[in-house]
Amino acid sequence: LAKTTQPISMDSYEGQEVNITCSHNNIATNDYITWYQQFPSQGPRFIIQGYKTKVTNEVASLFIPADRKSSTLSLPRVSLSDTAVYYCLVGGPNTGGFKTIFGAGTRLFVKA
Amino acid sequence: SQTIHQWPATLVQPVGSPLSLECTVEGTSNPNLYWYRQAAGRGLQLLFYSVGIGQISSEVPQNLSASRPQDRQFILSSKKLLLSDSGFYLCAWSLPRAVISGANVLTFGAGSRLTVL
Repeated sequence: LAKTTQPISMDSYEGQEVNITCSHNNIATNDYITWYQQFPSQGPRFIIQGYKTKVTNEVASLFIPADRKSSTLSLPRVSLSDTAVYYCLVGGPNTGGFKTIFGAGTRLFVKA
Repeated sequence: SQTIHQWPATLVQPVGSPLSLECTVEGTSNPNLYWYRQAAGRGLQLLFYSVGIGQISSEVPQNLSASRPQDRQFILSSKKLLLSDSGFYLCAWSLPRAVISGANVLTFGAGSRLTVL
């Protein structure tokens, strides 16, 4: 399983764009990058997954450079309700299979 | 659509008492099933995962055990609870290998908060 490194915490203000970067230098060829969001007293919720370049959905965008050694989760115009822990996971069917380990994540605090 | 049910939602148990947390998934077949624990203010710790009936991988050797008596049922048990077993227990499921494209994506239940006194 590829090791990931992401900031422990980040602060932002309402209406700003937030970018959370995750480093994964030993990502394998078949690995995907997956991001989850967790609110207090809830389980993590899938946000977005990508393999390369850019993926966008109604919640976020995921930017992956050509070397795939890092990725950036972009949250447009955050609100107070985006205060949560964000987890970056790297893996695929050929690396670790279905064993899914969560790291410490990035605690995002959005201020008014 | 698929749904995951986990119960009980809240549990207060004395030290040394047994534990049984249950999780069921509806709307899919042969899911991968997971148990995680999250202590207060801490990260998610993978306890067990199962890719099929009778196939359970243990990640943390301790006084907890897991069983999968049916395809879509996953049970977390303990014979004697410790104070350190307190925490937020989360069950999750994902699609089996034959169905997924991309990487494994987990869907979590609402969680069971256990307090051991």
